[in-house]
Amino acid sequence: QKEVEQNSGPLSVPEGAIASLNCTYSDRGSQSFFWYRQYSGKSPELIMSIYSNGDKEDGRFTAQLNKASQYVSLLIRDSQPSDSATYLCAVISTGNQFYFGTGTSLTVIP
Amino acid sequence: EAGVAQSPRYKIIEKRQSVAFWCNPISGHATLYWYQQILGQGPKLLIQFQNNGVVDDSQLPKDRFSAERLKGVDSTLKIQPAKLEDSAVYLCASSLDRALAGGQLQYFGPGTRLTVT
Repeated sequence: QKEVEQNSGPLSVPEGAIASLNCTYSDRGSQSFFWYRQYSGKSPELIMSIYSNGDKEDGRFTAQLNKASQYVSLLIRDSQPSDSATYLCAVISTGNQFYFGTGTSLTVIP
Repeated sequence: EAGVAQSPRYKIIEKRQSVAFWCNPISGHATLYWYQQILGQGPKLLIQFQNNGVVDDSQLPKDRFSAERLKGVDSTLKIQPAKLEDSAVYLCASSLDRALAGGQLQYFGPGTRLTVT
């Protein structure tokens, strides 16, 4: 079982819609969770971090964490074509090890 | 504030040759990370430094890969000898201090794309 699992997609949404990206993790003791965006041929860029159960909002982005279900998600409201990228979920495990998922490819259709 | 610097940006070598990558983290960042990202996959952590000490190298193939951060600032990752499966992007990242709350936010450099033929 992989430490962090994501649906590889591709996920396609129309411009202006809400994009929902999901991630599950295997280590129940994990405490820190991150979402990164990676454009093709570029390096990952930090979007959000979340440490507590519930929602955390930053502009058009909302991260949601449910530790009981070992589940973290990212919602992108009012999706724009510039949001088209691969979104990487990352988790710090109880051993202080950093794991990335394989990423979900998102395409926003104008 | 200057970001994470890496060089070279691209490297092509033949198998069994050696190669080295250099990284200079954001000024003041105590924690430095090296990742390997194979096409279509997420980054895989190879080694993590806190200042000049190694805190995690559990996924580093130590028979061929080595890394150092002698003065606690810039770092070098070496592969010797290279194999075809080492073709990947090698990413360096830094964070303020992994031991501090919020200090784990990582900022990535542009990466080095390695092709082994």
